[in-house]
Amino acid sequence: EIVMTQSPATLSMSPGERATLSCRASHNLGSKLAWYQQKPGQAPSLLIHSASTRATGVPARFSASGSGTEFSLTISSLQPEDFAVYYCQQYNIWPPGQFGQGTKVEIK
Amino acid sequence: EVQLVESGGDLVQPGGSLRLSCAASGFTLRSCAMSWVRQAPGKGLEWVSSLSDRGTTTYYAASVNGRFTISRDDSKNTLYLQMDFLRAEDTAIYFCAKLGGGSGYDYVDDWGQGTLVAVSS
Repeated sequence: EIVMTQSPATLSMSPGERATLSCRASHNLGSKLAWYQQKPGQAPSLLIHSASTRATGVPARFSASGSGTEFSLTISSLQPEDFAVYYCQQYNIWPPGQFGQGTKVEIK
Repeated sequence: EVQLVESGGDLVQPGGSLRLSCAASGFTLRSCAMSWVRQAPGKGLEWVSSLSDRGTTTYYAASVNGRFTISRDDSKNTLYLQMDFLRAEDTAIYFCAKLGGGSGYDYVDDWGQGTLVAVSS
């Protein structure tokens, strides 16, 4: 079974700073990786699919890259509304919707 | 506009059953695959089950295989999750999720707001 590992577990940042989140897979995913943002008390929302394609309406400060087993999500300049939990999810290998454990981006 | 509205969450005793519903609007369930994803209190997201666009292929996480059944009613444009032999560890918010493609192996492009299932005596 595939294992998805996100790091760090928590990222303490200040508004305006650049944040980089990592997601590592135990098997080759090609580009079949998505990123989601979840704010407290809300459902997750899609940020990125196909490893680097921003979903409709997602601000340009969110960018992502990677392929195979190593992926990253970058927020170029953190805005107050970006403090949230971020999950990666693979959709290439069984089980079809395996998530990482999440990275919490908190205000420093 | 795509809307997914879950219902059916409740407090149930261990060993009991529950059926969750997800009423879809703004698209037809036949046009894409659908999933259920859950989130235990204070924990991360866990994929539970998926149904292909044709409704012929189902997938289940090992933790629910044999106890949960995913299905849909095209006439009502509604997705279901029948949950039997419930355990305390099934306690979670259950999200209905629309996938970006038809196979069941795809990202989630729309989410419902979730319904809470609590399993306790």
